[in-house]
Amino acid sequence: GAVVSQHPSWVICKSGTSVKIECRSLDFQATTMFWYRQFPKQSLMLMATSNEGSKATYEQGVEKDKFLINHASLTLSTLTVTSAHPEDSSFYICSADSRLREILRDTQYFGPGTRLTVL
Amino acid sequence: GNSVTQMEGPVTLSEEAFLTINCTYTATGYPSLFWYVQYPGEGLQLLLKATKADDKGSNKGFEATYRKETTSFHLEKGSVQVSDSAVYFCALSEATGNQFYFGTGTSLTVIP
Repeated sequence: GAVVSQHPSWVICKSGTSVKIECRSLDFQATTMFWYRQFPKQSLMLMATSNEGSKATYEQGVEKDKFLINHASLTLSTLTVTSAHPEDSSFYICSADSRLREILRDTQYFGPGTRLTVL
Repeated sequence: GNSVTQMEGPVTLSEEAFLTINCTYTATGYPSLFWYVQYPGEGLQLLLKATKADDKGSNKGFEATYRKETTSFHLEKGSVQVSDSAVYFCALSEATGNQFYFGTGTSLTVIP
């Protein structure tokens, strides 16, 4: 089946530094990728939607200058948390929507997540 | 707007017990409904889905029926196993778009 990977799986950084998280679709081309944030014992909250080659669409309340998203190719999207602060500590999950939407309609494939801890 | 309300956990069951996790939704259109499962340390995996009213999704012994009249998509399994221990998320997707709305998740622990 379709596989989505994330790198790194866990990162610890100092406050004020920037962290880049990669999301890759390994065996399919992703028209659209989504970035979610999951707080402990809470649901996934959609942060932004990115389409290859265009600017990401951010959900209300998400700072686009803080969470930079680049969808450079049909298999790679990156999320950069700029000037990270302890309150940015969270579990970040990406998902990808296949280009073959007729076959995989309404199905998203999720990455394993990246745990960010900001000291 | 769209939202999903899920039964709060955690849920602890003995092996071979019957499982029900309630899920109700609010939607402006005609959404597709999903159950995702997250095993410890892993990402979300699609468990089953239903795309229209009265459809029944099923996989690995789990079932859920899309009930438009009660706006529900309850997850059931007749006999749970220890390996079913995980967090289960109910979700909906608008028929015309890709955005997903998730419930808060229900943690299930099955004890031998």
